[in-house]
Amino acid sequence: EIVLTQSPGTLSLSPGERATLSCRASQSVSSSYLAWYQQKPGQAPRLLIYGASSRATGIPDRFSGSGSGTDFTLTISRLEPEDFAVYYCQQYGSPGYTFGQGTKLEIK
Amino acid sequence: QVQLVQSGAEVKKPGASVKVSCKVSGYTLTELSMHWVRQAPGKGLEWMGGFDPEDGETIYAQKFQGRVTMTEDTSTDTAYMELSSLRSEDTAVYYCATVVPAAYWFDPWGQGTLVTVSS
Repeated sequence: EIVLTQSPGTLSLSPGERATLSCRASQSVSSSYLAWYQQKPGQAPRLLIYGASSRATGIPDRFSGSGSGTDFTLTISRLEPEDFAVYYCQQYGSPGYTFGQGTKLEIK
Repeated sequence: QVQLVQSGAEVKKPGASVKVSCKVSGYTLTELSMHWVRQAPGKGLEWMGGFDPEDGETIYAQKFQGRVTMTEDTSTDTAYMELSSLRSEDTAVYYCATVVPAAYWFDPWGQGTLVTVSS
């Protein structure tokens, strides 16, 4: 089973700053199989990025994804107040799906 | 546009079973692959299983094999997840989520169903 490790566990930033979230896989993952989600308290996760770098429908262009192999990154170029949430990466690989443990993005 | 509506919260005793439903609208269930993900209080997301179109069968995470059953009623476009032999560690919000053909990500998600296991 592929294990995804996200870092940092918590990221404290101010609105307007740039956020860089990391997701590292225990073995190589196809870029096609890597996605990112945002989850706010009391809500279901929302798809942000699929295929490592494609934004989902309706996602602002301040969100971007990059990476390949075992290292993937989610970048939020200029933080808006509504971006403070928990972010998860996810991969597909036989036999199934796994999620990272999450990065909490909090207001500094 | 796919929409998923789940059944309401449940309270169960240890050792019991729970069956959560997920009603699909906007698409038919046969056009989608339905999966289930759970989230314990204050914890991360945990994939439980779902339909794998490449194999044509439902696959389960090893952790839940033997204790979970995922079924579908295509006449009502409703998916079900039944978890048996419940223990307190199964207290969580259970989400259904879909994977469209040729995709490897979950979108959209149901609103979640809280299952509480308590004596």
